[in-house]
Amino acid sequence: DAGVTQSPTHLIKTRGQQVTLRCSPKSGHDTVSWYQQALGQGPQFIFQYYEEEERQRGNFPDRFSGHQFPNYSSELNVNALLLGDSALYLCASSSLSLGGYTFGSGTRLTVV
Amino acid sequence: QKEVEQDPGPLSVPEGAIVSLNCTYSNSAFQYFMWYRQYSRKGPELLMYTYSSGNKEDGRFTAQVDKSSKYISLFIRDSQPSDSATYLCAMLTQGGSEKLVFGKGTKLTVNP
Repeated sequence: DAGVTQSPTHLIKTRGQQVTLRCSPKSGHDTVSWYQQALGQGPQFIFQYYEEEERQRGNFPDRFSGHQFPNYSSELNVNALLLGDSALYLCASSSLSLGGYTFGSGTRLTVV
Repeated sequence: QKEVEQDPGPLSVPEGAIVSLNCTYSNSAFQYFMWYRQYSRKGPELLMYTYSSGNKEDGRFTAQVDKSSKYISLFIRDSQPSDSATYLCAMLTQGGSEKLVFGKGTKLTVNP
């Protein structure tokens, strides 16, 4: 049973560029949440998608946007990258009603 | 004041020691309390899950919640080098897929 799959595993981008990160949820899960984990910090909630709609959003600027596809997979897009966007981006899938978060291994984004 | 406070350590103990990890929180609406373990370059994995106050034991791990003091703990008995990881506390106000609020994480090293 495949867990949560994220791609790519590592990424280096230049300030001002745009990036797209991808996530395939665990089988049977319908909800995808994205978290940002800066070095030495706990994960911070970015937003959550269910039924292809943004259901909840954390305290992140509009430069962070997302999408969920009919097969429940999801993308996180970040525009106009800043040095401070360098972090591990974690995708977590769950069942909306039952919870049961499963995290992927993350995408490590470095902005130079 | 952050919603969840956790001493980042680092914490270094000899093999076989009892480890105590703690978090405090300010939001009295939190009802679900979790401990995640995160190995280097990996996503968090759920270790313990507790609803409301009380104790829960699973093998060498014991989770305690004291809602009156807004304080949660994780105890690891007979610690092993394989327990070396970052331990994150996380909380939810409701069940299901509400957003997780994490502490900073405590980095633990168990020395053989």
